[in-house]
Order: sequence, then C-alpha cells, then structure tokens
Amino acid sequence: KAGVTQTPRYLIKTRGQQVTLSCSPISGHRSVSWYQQTPGQGLQFLFEYFSETQRNKGNFPGRFSGRQFSNSRSEMNVSTLELGDSALYLCASSFFSTANEQYFGPGTRLTVT
Amino acid sequence: GENVEQHPSTLSVQEGDSAVIKCTYSDSASNYFPWYKQELGKRPQLIIDIRSNVGEKKDQRIAVTLNKTAKHFSLHITETQPEDSAVYFCAASFGNEKLTFGTGTRLTIIP
Repeated sequence: KAGVTQTPRYLIKTRGQQVTLSCSPISGHRSVSWYQQTPGQGLQFLFEYFSETQRNKGNFPGRFSGRQFSNSRSEMNVSTLELGDSALYLCASSFFSTANEQYFGPGTRLTVT
Repeated sequence: GENVEQHPSTLSVQEGDSAVIKCTYSDSASNYFPWYKQELGKRPQLIIDIRSNVGEKKDQRIAVTLNKTAKHFSLHITETQPEDSAVYFCAASFGNEKLTFGTGTRLTIIP
C-alpha cells in the first residue's frame, strides 16, 4: 500500500500571499487530519475531514481552511499569510477516525518571508 | 476540550537503561491513547496505542500503562538503544473527536 503523500514538500511564500497544500491519504482511508508543527508548539490540530465533511476543527483563525474530495484527497488553504504561519504542515490519514491508527505524511515545510 | 500534559520535555538515559515518559489528560471520556515517535527530519510514526478497557500493553521493549482513575498514561522503553533517540508524543481522544497531542519529549540515548 502506498503511504500518505503530500505536495509540495517545500514552499516559500511572501507575507500576504495565500497557499494551498495537498494530501493524498492511504487508499481506503476516509479520515484526513491536518496538523501544524512548530518547535515551540508541538503538533497543533487544524481540522479533520471525513467523507468530504469537516468533522472536527482546532483553534486556528478562519484564514486556515480545508476541503476533502470524493476520492478522500484533501487540501488545506492558508490565506493572507503571516510570518508566524511558517511551520511544517502534516496531514494524517486513518481508516475511520482519529481513534484508529493514524498514518502521517512527510509534511510540507512552509516558510513565509 | 481535551488537554494533554507530557513530562519530561527532555530525557537523557544511558544505553541499556530504561526510559519513562508520562502524560496526563483532562477529559475523563477519552478512551484512545496512542504514542508516536518522530525521528529528526521524519514523520511521526505510531509505536504503540492503548484503549481505556486495557490497563497495560506491551510490544517487545515498549510498554504503555494506563491509569483511568488518575487520568494518566505512561510509555516505558526498556533496554534502550541509540535508535530510540527521537521525540516522543503522547495523545488522547474520544470517539470521533480530534486527537490532542502532548508537547513532546526529546529522548537522547547516551552510548
């Protein structure tokens, strides 16, 4: 089985721009979660999608949004980028929910200048 | 919402000794407790998990214990090896709720 993939792996953007990150889950997995990882804050939950619906949401501003497609692939979008958005963005997929084993992708390293 | 505290933030042990990392959670309804290992520059990987109907689970040199009354769970690594050096994260969730992670423990194995 192919693992979770994320594109792009690295991204450099300027403050004020917007960015879209993509995540392809393991085949058959219907739950996709997104996390922001920074050295000081650990793994912060952004949101979870299941069957094209946002099921859970973390405490991030509305600039962070996401969606899931019928093939379970997911995208997250960050608008009006701020310097503090620089982080590693990880997605994780699981068969049904976060209460099942989650498999993480390699992450997208976003740098905002 | 759920809050997970993890201690210590850093831990150094001699190769061959045991390492213990502890986490406490706030939501008594939480019933799933996984542990993830993240090596430098790599993605987090599940190493062991436990559900609330079980008090202890072992997998070779790794074990996790759960105390529901005290709302804490611990990761035990015995006979540590250099490849155990990594950041370890605990987490907790209930049902379809989000997985809440602890802040991580950087474990260093001293040869």
